[in-house]
Amino acid sequence: GAVVSQHPSRVICKSGTSVKIECRSLDFQATTMFWYRQFPKQSLMLMATSNEGSKATYEQGVEKDKFLINHASLTLSTLTVTSAHPEDSSFYICSAETGSRLGEQYFGPGTRLTVT
Amino acid sequence: DAKTTQPTSMDCAEGRAANLPCNHSTISGNEYVYWYRQIHSQGPQYIIHGLKNNETNEMASLIITEDRKSSTLILPHATLRDTAVYYCIVSYSNSGYALNFGKGTSLLVTP
Repeated sequence: GAVVSQHPSRVICKSGTSVKIECRSLDFQATTMFWYRQFPKQSLMLMATSNEGSKATYEQGVEKDKFLINHASLTLSTLTVTSAHPEDSSFYICSAETGSRLGEQYFGPGTRLTVT
Repeated sequence: DAKTTQPTSMDCAEGRAANLPCNHSTISGNEYVYWYRQIHSQGPQYIIHGLKNNETNEMASLIITEDRKSSTLILPHATLRDTAVYYCIVSYSNSGYALNFGKGTSLLVTP
């Protein structure tokens, strides 16, 4: 149980375009989802916390107008990278918590974004 | 900054126990110790967590010192598929707390 999926797994886009990444909890409802970013040979960095039905909370230094997060249902959160640039190329990972098992988060497989 | 300190890398022979240490000297009374691992180019995988008592599940054992300032993750019989970066994280168990990933320990299991 507790499976989280992400789509797409890999995407290449041109500079200036927007890309949407979906994160779904497949067998549980997630009131809170988290978005992380990971650059090569570095650790995961939290970008934002997403709560169903409310605005996301962004970490310091993360531009909320550039990284649009929508958590419209208890099983789906989306991250849209707007006007992507090469420096946005990274591994984007979402996680979700069930709310019933203390503190456990379940992570998606990640989305590799390459901006050319 | 991450509130844990882990060795950068470790090696372990296949079939032997892998003991991964973690220091968390500033842990507060109601913070838990969580362990996750990340295999290359995949999302992190939950392993185990604990508060005070030692814990064991089908993947690993977690030994927490009595003063809670350090812990050890034990993989009893390491396999090549256990090669990954292991993250020790201290966090509250309440809903809504993100995980603060440090640099972790890169474990290499060798044949």
